[in-house]
Amino acid sequence: NAGVMQNPRHLVRRRGQEARLRCSPMKGHSHVYWYRQLPEEGLKFMVYLQKENIIDESGMPKERFSAEFPKEGPSILRIQQVVRGDSAAYFCASSYGGGQFFGPGTRLTVL
Amino acid sequence: LAKTTQPISMDSYEGQEVNITCSHNNIATNDYITWYQQFPSQGPRFIIQGYKTKVTNEVASLFIPADRKSSTLSLPRVSLSDTAVYYCLVGDEDQTGANNLFFGTGTRLTVIP
Repeated sequence: NAGVMQNPRHLVRRRGQEARLRCSPMKGHSHVYWYRQLPEEGLKFMVYLQKENIIDESGMPKERFSAEFPKEGPSILRIQQVVRGDSAAYFCASSYGGGQFFGPGTRLTVL
Repeated sequence: LAKTTQPISMDSYEGQEVNITCSHNNIATNDYITWYQQFPSQGPRFIIQGYKTKVTNEVASLFIPADRKSSTLSLPRVSLSDTAVYYCLVGDEDQTGANNLFFGTGTRLTVIP
């Protein structure tokens, strides 16, 4: 059973471009969570989704950020018009109703 | 969300037992205590979870006193590969798994040869 998969592992964008981060949950998991981690800091919750529904987006910035988890395919975290402050590691986790299992993360660098 | 407080860093020699204590004074009745381990450039890895008293698995033990306002992660005979950041989390885990985890800054454990 493959673990949580995230791609790309590294993403470089220039200011103003769009960033799309993908997360494939573990098989059988229908809950997906996105977190952001700045250097030397803990992970910060962004959004929690179940299939086709956003359950809790209290940690996600109101502008430029969006997330989806379609019926088919991976969950997508989309950042529009990226700025340097968006540079961070973005982790996805999945669960089936118990503990969360984390992916390896996507490291976003905004030039 | 119950906030947690844990030491910023700890050093230990190889082969020693390491105990990392976490305070969570505002823990709620429905909250579980979960510990994660994170290596550089990797996602957090689940170590252990408990609600009260003592929980033990092949990796660690978790001690939770009766008032549940603190918990202690115990790592037996640490090795260099245990050098990592350890996070203590407190969160509600209902039947739908809607657990919104709050990560603090964690405890950076350095194991010395």
